[in-house]
Amino acid sequence: GAGVSQSPRYKVAKRGQDVALRCDPISGHVSLFWYQQALGQGPEFLTYFQNEAQLDKSGLPSDRFFAERPEGSVSTLKIQRTQQEDSAVYLCASSFIQGGDQETQYFGPGTRLLVL
Amino acid sequence: GENVEQHPSTLSVQEGDSAVIKCTYSDSASNYFPWYKQELGKRPQLIIDIRSNVGEKKDQRIAVTLNKTAKHFSLHITETQPEDSAVYFCAASGYSSASKIIFGSGTRLSIRP
Repeated sequence: GAGVSQSPRYKVAKRGQDVALRCDPISGHVSLFWYQQALGQGPEFLTYFQNEAQLDKSGLPSDRFFAERPEGSVSTLKIQRTQQEDSAVYLCASSFIQGGDQETQYFGPGTRLLVL
Repeated sequence: GENVEQHPSTLSVQEGDSAVIKCTYSDSASNYFPWYKQELGKRPQLIIDIRSNVGEKKDQRIAVTLNKTAKHFSLHITETQPEDSAVYFCAASGYSSASKIIFGSGTRLSIRP
């Protein structure tokens, strides 16, 4: 079946510009995660949704970062007034909840953001 | 919070030989340990995972061991092949589906022909 998809795949933004990154999780997956992966590093947690509820946003680096999932499916990560240090790959992952146990997180291909 | 250390950062092995990647974690409450493989420009893909109620798990040429007392876990790849070349990430997570995954810094594995 279809995996996690993200768009756009690449985004070049001028410093100060706002950007919006989209994630389409696997159908039926309740949990949705956003991660930031800097060049040569492992992914770092940004925020987590269970359905439409944002249950954990402890990883968001500043108040310029905002995420939403209004209908419990598609999610959007928005970065306002982008800075050069925001340049990274933004990964989305989704998982199914079964019995409350940790389930495999399936990753999307990521959006590579370059801020000039 | 949880911290995951991974070694080595780069590893080069002869085709057919074994490769071992080691990780440590800090939070004794972590009980789910996935390993992801990431090829250049591609998404991380789960290759194997282990939960804390098991000490070892094997899937064909890949095996993972877990020592909860020492907070160590390792990935073993036997009979390495060129297609095993990639960056490998270990990770640790809590027990629930709401738990975020904390990743190590990655190991770049190169297989020499």
